Amino acid sequence: DIQMTQSPSSLSASVGDRVTITCRASQGISNYLAWYQQKPGKVPKLLIYAASTLQSGVPSRLSGSGSGTDFTLTISSLQPEDVATYYCQKYNSAPLTFGGGTKVEIK
Amino acid sequence: QVQLQESGPGLVKPSQTLSLTCTVSGDSINNGSYYWSWIRQPAGKGLEWIGRIYISGSTNYNPSLKSRITISVDTSRNQFSLKLSSVTAADTAVYYCARGARDWGQGTLVTVSS
Repeated sequence: DIQMTQSPSSLSASVGDRVTITCRASQGISNYLAWYQQKPGKVPKLLIYAASTLQSGVPSRLSGSGSGTDFTLTISSLQPEDVATYYCQKYNSAPLTFGGGTKVEIK
Repeated sequence: QVQLQESGPGLVKPSQTLSLTCTVSGDSINNGSYYWSWIRQPAGKGLEWIGRIYISGSTNYNPSLKSRITISVDTSRNQFSLKLSSVTAADTAVYYCARGARDWGQGTLVTVSS
């Protein structure tokens, strides 16, 4: 089965900083990758699908890129409301494995 | 707008079977455009995909749980269900049901303890 590895596992950045989270698949998955945001105590929220397509209502400061095995989620200007844990998930075929998550905090 | 609601016992004894139901409102579970999934999250840990079902009845399961899982659908009640057998404390988690990738239930905490 394809493994999904996220890095870093956590990061701390200042408001306004550019933040990049990486997700690597152990085999190619084309662009069948989704990103989720989970705030403490809340349900995960779909941010991006097809590696780079922003879900309706998601702020444009978030963006996704990549194809094959390497993917990134970028927050162009970190805001306090972006404090959350972010997960990637492959969906090219089952199992629909999640990455381990990246916890984003404000410095 | 579709809504999903998980229901079932909050406490299950070790070695017993965990049974959860997801009731769908605002959409017909017969909608062939989606798959219907279960995901879980132990406290303080990441998301784990459990499995999914299509309205055709076709299922896919997490290989690490496959021997213990059954996911089924009841179109007459607009529900789908999860059964996880031979549970241990490691199965204690918040369990979510979802439609596709976008629409999730609020989650239900299941604790495995005697």
